[in-house]
Amino acid sequence: GNSVTQMEGPVTLSEEAFLTINCTYTATGYPSLFWYVQYPGEGLQLLLKATKADDKGSNKGFEATYRKETTSFHLEKGSVQVSDSAVYFCALTARGSNYKLTFGKGTLLTVNP
Amino acid sequence: DGGITQSPKYLFRKEGQNVTLSCEQNLNHDAMYWYRQDPGQGLRLIYYSQIVNDFQKGDIAEGYSVSREKKESFPLTVTSAQKNPTAFYLCASSPEERRQPQHFGDGTRLSIL
Repeated sequence: GNSVTQMEGPVTLSEEAFLTINCTYTATGYPSLFWYVQYPGEGLQLLLKATKADDKGSNKGFEATYRKETTSFHLEKGSVQVSDSAVYFCALTARGSNYKLTFGKGTLLTVNP
Repeated sequence: DGGITQSPKYLFRKEGQNVTLSCEQNLNHDAMYWYRQDPGQGLRLIYYSQIVNDFQKGDIAEGYSVSREKKESFPLTVTSAQKNPTAFYLCASSPEERRQPQHFGDGTRLSIL
């Protein structure tokens, strides 16, 4: 079956630090890959997506590149802000799961001023 | 604005009581989903529906029931058979094109009195 493994948190950074959250996956077929963000007490918001190999998704200064050879979709941001403090989820959909979303367990990011 | 509305935001259940969580979407999406989120955990799929009058069990359907009488509505009932219902419940929807991301509501937090 499909699975997503993302780095366990919590991750604590100072403002303006560089962020990487690792995400690797296993899937049948060619998955679409997503990063979602969840702020405290809220639902999930789509942060970025990539639907084929070598695609780069980007939004709000965050980027992730679909790497088929390493089955990875790492999230990066060059300079984090306090407002980026949230839980980040890596996820995929693929034909093998009837396109249901498979989530990683989430990574809590805390950014200190 | 199009989106997903979940209500209520907070809900309390007494022992032996059934409670129903509402989810309405005006995105004209075909598919709708219910997830359960426990503290520090990822999301687990309870039920999903790809068309009106049809739905399938997810990974943790026991103790829950759903209906899909209208395209825009997908209510979830937490029955008394669900012995540990305290959690954050998230509703989502997606277009028929299965590579597209799911859109989430703001969630309902259910607690036991």
